[in-house]
Amino acid sequence: ETGVTQSPTHLIKTRGQQVTLRCSSQSGHNTVSWYQQALGQGPQFIFQYYREEENGRGNFPPRFSGLQFPNYSSELNVNALELDDSALYLCASSLKYTNTGELFFGEGSRLTVL
Amino acid sequence: GQNIDQPTEMTATEGAIVQINCTYQTSGFNGLFWYQQHAGEAPTFLSYNVLDGLEEKGRFSSFLSRSKGYSYLLLKELQMKDSASYLCAVGKQTGANNLFFGTGTRLTVIP
Repeated sequence: ETGVTQSPTHLIKTRGQQVTLRCSSQSGHNTVSWYQQALGQGPQFIFQYYREEENGRGNFPPRFSGLQFPNYSSELNVNALELDDSALYLCASSLKYTNTGELFFGEGSRLTVL
Repeated sequence: GQNIDQPTEMTATEGAIVQINCTYQTSGFNGLFWYQQHAGEAPTFLSYNVLDGLEEKGRFSSFLSRSKGYSYLLLKELQMKDSASYLCAVGKQTGANNLFFGTGTRLTVIP
Protein backbone atom coordinates (compact mmCIF):
# COMPACT_ATOMS: atom_id res chain seq x y z
CA GLU A 1 0.00 0.00 0.00
CA THR A 2 1.48 3.36 -1.02
CA GLY A 3 1.61 5.93 1.77
CA VAL A 4 1.32 9.70 1.57
CA THR A 5 4.29 11.31 -0.16
CA GLN A 6 5.18 15.00 -0.26
CA SER A 7 7.66 17.04 -2.24
CA PRO A 8 9.92 18.82 -1.83
CA THR A 9 11.04 17.80 1.65
CA HIS A 10 12.90 21.06 2.29
CA LEU A 11 12.99 24.40 0.52
CA ILE A 12 14.10 27.96 1.11
CA LYS A 13 12.35 31.01 -0.33
CA THR A 14 12.54 34.74 0.18
CA ARG A 15 9.78 37.14 1.20
CA GLY A 16 7.36 37.93 -1.61
CA GLN A 17 8.06 34.78 -3.58
CA GLN A 18 5.55 32.05 -4.37
CA VAL A 19 5.79 28.36 -3.53
CA THR A 20 4.03 25.17 -4.66
CA LEU A 21 4.05 22.07 -2.50
CA ARG A 22 2.87 18.68 -3.78
CA CYS A 23 1.21 15.68 -2.21
CA SER A 24 0.31 12.20 -3.42
CA SER A 25 -2.42 10.66 -1.32
CA GLN A 26 -2.46 7.14 0.00
CA SER A 27 -3.82 4.59 -2.45
CA GLY A 28 -7.61 4.54 -2.38
CA HIS A 29 -8.01 7.80 -0.44
CA ASN A 30 -10.18 10.49 -2.01
CA THR A 31 -9.73 13.36 0.45
CA VAL A 32 -6.64 15.49 1.06
CA SER A 33 -6.12 17.95 3.90
CA TRP A 34 -3.29 20.43 4.35
CA TYR A 35 -1.90 21.57 7.69
CA GLN A 36 0.70 24.14 8.74
CA GLN A 37 2.83 23.25 11.76
CA ALA A 38 5.04 25.95 13.23
CA LEU A 39 7.91 24.91 15.46
CA GLY A 40 6.65 23.70 18.84
CA GLN A 41 3.00 23.99 17.84
CA GLY A 42 0.28 21.60 16.77
CA PRO A 43 -0.78 21.35 13.13
CA GLN A 44 -3.19 24.10 12.02
CA PHE A 45 -5.85 23.19 9.47
CA ILE A 46 -5.47 25.10 6.20
CA PHE A 47 -8.07 23.43 3.95
CA GLN A 48 -9.36 20.14 2.65
CA TYR A 49 -10.11 18.92 -0.88
CA TYR A 50 -12.61 16.29 -1.96
CA ARG A 51 -13.49 15.54 -5.58
CA GLU A 52 -11.30 18.41 -6.74
CA GLU A 53 -13.22 20.99 -4.71
CA GLU A 54 -12.41 22.78 -1.47
CA ASN A 55 -14.36 21.12 1.33
CA GLY A 56 -13.64 23.21 4.38
CA ARG A 57 -11.09 25.89 5.21
CA GLY A 58 -9.33 27.07 8.34
CA ASN A 59 -8.33 30.61 9.28
CA PHE A 60 -5.80 31.24 6.49
CA PRO A 61 -5.77 34.16 4.03
CA PRO A 62 -6.62 33.75 0.33
CA ARG A 63 -2.94 33.74 -0.66
CA PHE A 64 -3.05 30.12 0.52
CA SER A 65 -4.73 28.17 -2.26
CA GLY A 66 -4.89 24.60 -3.41
CA LEU A 67 -5.82 22.13 -6.08
CA GLN A 68 -6.81 18.50 -6.18
CA PHE A 69 -6.37 16.46 -9.34
CA PRO A 70 -8.48 13.58 -10.70
CA ASN A 71 -5.96 11.07 -9.28
CA TYR A 72 -6.57 12.68 -5.84
CA SER A 73 -3.08 14.17 -5.62
CA SER A 74 -2.96 17.77 -4.46
CA GLU A 75 -1.00 21.01 -4.49
CA LEU A 76 -0.71 23.79 -1.93
CA ASN A 77 0.23 27.19 -3.31
CA VAL A 78 1.29 30.13 -1.18
CA ASN A 79 1.70 33.55 -2.77
CA ALA A 80 3.50 36.63 -1.44
CA LEU A 81 5.43 34.65 1.14
CA GLU A 82 5.91 36.17 4.58
CA LEU A 83 8.49 35.31 7.25
CA ASP A 84 5.73 33.77 9.40
CA ASP A 85 4.98 31.26 6.66
CA SER A 86 8.12 29.39 7.70
CA ALA A 87 6.78 26.06 8.95
CA LEU A 88 6.34 22.37 8.26
CA TYR A 89 3.49 21.83 5.80
CA LEU A 90 1.77 18.51 6.27
CA CYS A 91 -0.50 16.77 3.83
CA ALA A 92 -2.94 14.15 5.11
CA SER A 93 -5.16 11.82 3.14
CA SER A 94 -8.26 9.94 4.15
CA LEU A 95 -11.55 8.59 2.92
CA LYS A 96 -14.28 11.20 3.11
CA TYR A 97 -16.58 8.87 4.98
CA THR A 98 -14.86 6.65 7.51
CA ASN A 99 -15.76 5.17 10.84
CA THR A 100 -12.95 6.95 12.61
CA GLY A 101 -12.03 9.95 10.47
CA GLU A 102 -8.39 8.91 10.78
CA LEU A 103 -5.90 10.98 8.80
CA PHE A 104 -2.73 9.54 7.28
CA PHE A 105 0.04 12.13 7.23
CA GLY A 106 3.00 12.56 4.94
CA GLU A 107 6.43 13.48 6.27
CA GLY A 108 5.89 17.12 5.36
CA SER A 109 7.60 19.88 3.43
CA ARG A 110 9.71 22.19 5.56
CA LEU A 111 9.56 25.74 4.20
CA THR A 112 11.97 28.44 5.33
CA VAL A 113 11.23 32.02 4.29
CA LEU A 114 14.14 34.46 4.54
CA GLY B 1 -14.34 28.29 16.67
CA GLN B 2 -12.51 25.88 18.90
CA ASN B 3 -10.20 26.02 21.87
CA ILE B 4 -8.08 23.02 22.79
CA ASP B 5 -5.83 22.98 25.85
CA GLN B 6 -3.24 20.45 26.89
CA PRO B 7 -0.06 20.71 29.01
CA THR B 8 3.02 21.81 27.10
CA GLU B 9 5.49 19.37 28.62
CA MET B 10 5.53 16.31 30.86
CA THR B 11 8.24 14.02 32.17
CA ALA B 12 7.77 10.45 33.36
CA THR B 13 9.91 7.48 34.28
CA GLU B 14 10.37 4.35 32.19
CA GLY B 15 7.91 1.66 33.28
CA ALA B 16 5.54 4.15 34.92
CA ILE B 17 2.05 5.33 33.92
CA VAL B 18 1.35 8.83 32.61
CA GLN B 19 -1.93 10.61 31.91
CA ILE B 20 -2.06 13.46 29.40
CA ASN B 21 -5.16 15.63 29.75
CA CYS B 22 -6.96 17.62 27.09
CA THR B 23 -9.86 20.02 27.46
CA TYR B 24 -11.74 21.47 24.55
CA GLN B 25 -14.47 23.91 23.62
CA THR B 26 -15.85 23.64 20.14
CA SER B 27 -18.84 24.41 17.98
CA GLY B 28 -19.64 21.12 16.35
CA PHE B 29 -18.07 17.90 17.52
CA ASN B 30 -17.35 14.70 15.63
CA GLY B 31 -14.94 12.87 17.85
CA LEU B 32 -11.74 13.35 19.84
CA PHE B 33 -8.47 12.10 18.38
CA TRP B 34 -5.01 11.49 19.79
CA TYR B 35 -1.94 11.46 17.55
CA GLN B 36 1.69 10.75 18.37
CA GLN B 37 4.46 12.75 16.71
CA HIS B 38 8.13 11.93 17.12
CA ALA B 39 10.53 14.80 16.49
CA GLY B 40 10.96 15.41 12.78
CA GLU B 41 8.33 12.87 11.80
CA ALA B 42 4.69 12.88 10.69
CA PRO B 43 1.87 12.52 13.24
CA THR B 44 0.51 8.98 13.54
CA PHE B 45 -2.96 8.01 14.72
CA LEU B 46 -3.33 6.58 18.22
CA SER B 47 -7.00 6.67 19.16
CA TYR B 48 -10.48 7.96 18.46
CA ASN B 49 -13.37 8.53 20.90
CA VAL B 50 -16.79 9.69 19.80
CA LEU B 51 -18.84 8.31 22.73
CA ASP B 52 -18.18 8.82 26.44
CA GLY B 53 -15.97 6.27 28.11
CA LEU B 54 -12.66 4.53 27.91
CA GLU B 55 -11.15 2.96 24.78
CA GLU B 56 -8.24 0.62 25.43
CA LYS B 57 -5.65 -0.36 22.85
CA GLY B 58 -2.68 -2.20 24.26
CA ARG B 59 -0.55 0.06 26.45
CA PHE B 60 -2.54 3.12 25.37
CA SER B 61 -6.05 4.07 26.51
CA SER B 62 -8.12 7.14 25.78
CA PHE B 63 -11.08 8.55 27.71
CA LEU B 64 -13.76 11.02 26.70
CA SER B 65 -16.40 13.00 28.58
CA ARG B 66 -18.39 15.06 26.10
CA SER B 67 -20.39 16.90 28.77
CA LYS B 68 -17.16 18.10 30.40
CA GLY B 69 -15.27 18.72 27.16
CA TYR B 70 -12.48 16.54 28.53
CA SER B 71 -10.29 13.72 27.34
CA TYR B 72 -7.15 12.01 28.50
CA LEU B 73 -4.59 9.69 27.00
CA LEU B 74 -3.17 7.09 29.38
CA LEU B 75 0.14 5.45 28.62
CA LYS B 76 1.13 2.41 30.67
CA GLU B 77 4.46 0.64 31.06
CA LEU B 78 6.28 3.60 29.56
CA GLN B 79 9.15 2.89 27.20
CA MET B 80 11.92 5.22 26.07
CA LYS B 81 10.46 5.18 22.56
CA ASP B 82 7.27 6.79 23.92
CA SER B 83 9.16 10.09 24.16
CA ALA B 84 7.26 12.19 21.63
CA SER B 85 4.65 14.91 21.30
CA TYR B 86 1.06 13.82 21.87
CA LEU B 87 -1.52 15.83 19.96
CA CYS B 88 -5.15 16.11 21.02
CA ALA B 89 -7.49 16.96 18.12
CA VAL B 90 -11.19 17.61 17.75
CA GLY B 91 -13.03 16.35 14.69
CA LYS B 92 -15.60 18.63 13.08
CA GLN B 93 -18.32 17.94 10.54
CA THR B 94 -19.38 14.40 9.99
CA GLY B 95 -17.65 12.92 6.98
CA ALA B 96 -15.33 15.85 6.34
CA ASN B 97 -12.48 14.63 8.52
CA ASN B 98 -11.44 18.15 9.46
CA LEU B 99 -9.29 17.93 12.56
CA PHE B 100 -8.33 20.84 14.78
CA PHE B 101 -5.26 20.18 16.89
CA GLY B 102 -4.06 21.45 20.22
CA THR B 103 -0.45 22.59 20.61
CA GLY B 104 0.63 19.13 21.74
CA THR B 105 2.22 17.75 24.91
CA ARG B 106 5.90 16.91 24.68
CA LEU B 107 6.49 13.81 26.80
CA THR B 108 10.01 12.92 27.89
CA VAL B 109 10.55 9.43 29.30
CA ILE B 110 13.60 9.16 31.56
CA PRO B 111 15.38 5.98 32.74
